[in-house]
Amino acid sequence: GQNIDQPTEMTATEGAIVQINCTYQTSGFNGLFWYQQHAGEAPTFLSYNVLDGLEEKGRFSSFLSRSKGYSYLLLKELQMKDSASYLCAVRELTTDSWGKFQFGAGTQVVVTP
Amino acid sequence: DVKVTQSSRYLVKRTGEKVFLECVQDMDHENMFWYRQDPGLGLRLIYFSYDVKMKEKGDIPEGYSVSREKKERFSLILESASTNQTSMYLCASSSLKLQGANEQYFGPGTRLTVT
Repeated sequence: GQNIDQPTEMTATEGAIVQINCTYQTSGFNGLFWYQQHAGEAPTFLSYNVLDGLEEKGRFSSFLSRSKGYSYLLLKELQMKDSASYLCAVRELTTDSWGKFQFGAGTQVVVTP
Repeated sequence: DVKVTQSSRYLVKRTGEKVFLECVQDMDHENMFWYRQDPGLGLRLIYFSYDVKMKEKGDIPEGYSVSREKKERFSLILESASTNQTSMYLCASSSLKLQGANEQYFGPGTRLTVT
């Protein structure tokens, strides 16, 4: 999505921590989502933020600052299976549309031994 | 578990053919979406529907149409396929509850090649 920016690729070693940043611009913010997509597979839902702050889910955490239009996904204790593309998506609520999602181009995370 | 299925995983069509991509979800979701995914461009919304017989254009509707005659089924139609419509097509659905994430569930995708 042209209004959502995230890095193209990040590389980290097994056991390390990686933080994927996402910045966005939207006229009607209604939630920020992170999805994981392995090569050749469909995206799967990881996390959701609608209020400012940190949401923790096991090894994955997601943070949101609505005033800054900024989110990050934190992956801890990296495992080889975490090698995937991570998609940042914003749901928009406008006067003529409900529930429309805008996706970033995705960040390819490469985990090395 | 939510299940979203798509009629084909791989499809090869010729330029000018009419192409139908079918998507079915089994969770009684109100919202259904069609995206295409291309390298470097991410997921781009073609059309979505928030109710039977209702549809809204996404970011790239040109060359496509959709049909939603039943709540569980959302079809994407390429009226006259062109080579620039070669892509991965992903269908998704989500609920419309007042609270909760209402996250999208995706089908496995259809890789369409137009020759």
